Amino acid sequence: QQQVKQSPQSLIVQKGGISIINCAYENTAFDYFPWYQQFPGKGPALLIAIRPDVSEKKEGRFTISFNKSAKQFSLHIMDSQPGDSATYFCAATSSNTGKLIFGQGTTLQVKP
Amino acid sequence: NAGVMQNPRHLVRRRGQEARLRCSPVKGHSHVYWYRQLPEEGLKFMVYLQKENIIDESGMPKERFSAEFPKEGPSILRIQQVVRGDSAAYFCASSPLGGDGEQYFGPGTRLTVT
Repeated sequence: QQQVKQSPQSLIVQKGGISIINCAYENTAFDYFPWYQQFPGKGPALLIAIRPDVSEKKEGRFTISFNKSAKQFSLHIMDSQPGDSATYFCAATSSNTGKLIFGQGTTLQVKP
Repeated sequence: NAGVMQNPRHLVRRRGQEARLRCSPVKGHSHVYWYRQLPEEGLKFMVYLQKENIIDESGMPKERFSAEFPKEGPSILRIQQVVRGDSAAYFCASSPLGGDGEQYFGPGTRLTVT
C-alpha cells in the first residue's frame, strides 16, 4: 500500500517532442505528489508538485496531470530538450508522515 | 542562499569500519530526512528528524545505523561496522515545515565499502 509505481523505466524522445511519465499509487492518504529531476552524480532537484485538490498544474514546459479517482498522476515535458536528459522520480507523501515514497525512476534521453 | 550541504561527498570505508555522514540543512529549516539510493534503484526513506528528536525511523535498518540532529550542528547519519551492502548514495533533504512540505535535497554522500 506504500508503493508508488512508475513507468516507463526508460524513455527516448526526439528534441521538440513530448515526454510523458506515469505514476500510480495505492494509499489514499497520500496528499502531496512531487516530481524530482536527478542528473548523474547529483542530488534530486524538486521540479514541480501537486496536491489532490487540483487536476493539473503547469510550470513552464512541465505539467502534472492528476487523476484522484484512478490514483494516477503523470508528468508531461513539452518541447523536450537535450538538457532535459536525466532521471525523473515521482513521489508521494501524506501530511501526517512527511516521508517521501519514491517511484523507481525513469531515465529520459532526448535526442537532438 | 546556501542549499543543503553534505560531507563528505565521497567516502571509502573497509568492511567493519564506521561511516559518519554529515548534513547541514538549508538555513532556517528544522526538518531533516535521510534517504538511501542503491545502485540502479530509487530512493528509500530512512529517517526523519527534527532538532534533537527522531520523528520517524521506520526506514532505518534495525542494527548498525543511527541518526541524530542536535540542537547545534549538522545532522549525522552513522553506520557502524559497515558491510559491502551499505555501499550506496545517501541523501539528506531538509524542509521548513515537515509534513507534506517541500523537501530540498543535498548532493549526497557516495559511500563505497571495500
